[in-house]
Amino acid sequence: SAVISQKPSRDICQRGTSLTIQCQVDSQVTMMFWYRQQPGQSLTLIATANQGSEATYESGFVIDKFPISRPNLTFSTLTVSNMSPEDSSIYLCSVGSGNYGYTFGSGTRLTVV
Amino acid sequence: AQKITQTQPGMFVQEKEAVTLDCTYDTSDPSYGLFWYKQPSSGEMIFLIYQGSYDQQNATEGRYSLNFQKARKSANLVISASQLGDSAMYFCAMSENFNKFYFGSGTKLNVKP
Repeated sequence: SAVISQKPSRDICQRGTSLTIQCQVDSQVTMMFWYRQQPGQSLTLIATANQGSEATYESGFVIDKFPISRPNLTFSTLTVSNMSPEDSSIYLCSVGSGNYGYTFGSGTRLTVV
Repeated sequence: AQKITQTQPGMFVQEKEAVTLDCTYDTSDPSYGLFWYKQPSSGEMIFLIYQGSYDQQNATEGRYSLNFQKARKSANLVISASQLGDSAMYFCAMSENFNKFYFGSGTKLNVKP
């Protein structure tokens, strides 16, 4: 299965600022997925990122708040914009791995103060 | 309706004993996959085991086995010989044709020495 390098692993940010999270995959993949996991909650899909097209956002998530880039088949970024304390979560990128389901990055633990 | 239901928010098990984590699912698609993931306190998501809807036998991976009861739409995870390192959150997930994943709310397992 694919190996994903995600960074930063954690950050503490001031409200009103933005943070960009990067995911690098060791193989070419068509779709990359971005999830949010709020404290004590399950994973919620933010968007699906395809190379060469705009990301597809799930209900409740908008591009202005969570812009995504997908410049090639091995890399994607998620930006959390104009952050508030409610954005404090773990953010995870993932790719499909067939019968292994999703392979996940190691996650970014974001705290907004 | 919830696609994936995990009814046990928390579980305790004595070290070296077996434990069953419950998961029920809801789908009308005949082709689907069921997955279990482990999330330690570090936040990463670790794939444990996969069961396809057409698989005749229950999946096993080392100390992990999946008790698949298709008619009851349940996919319980059995961990044998629990170890202290098994203490973590466990998520059941389902994919319909690998297009989209649905995660349960998770079960926090605590292994007592």
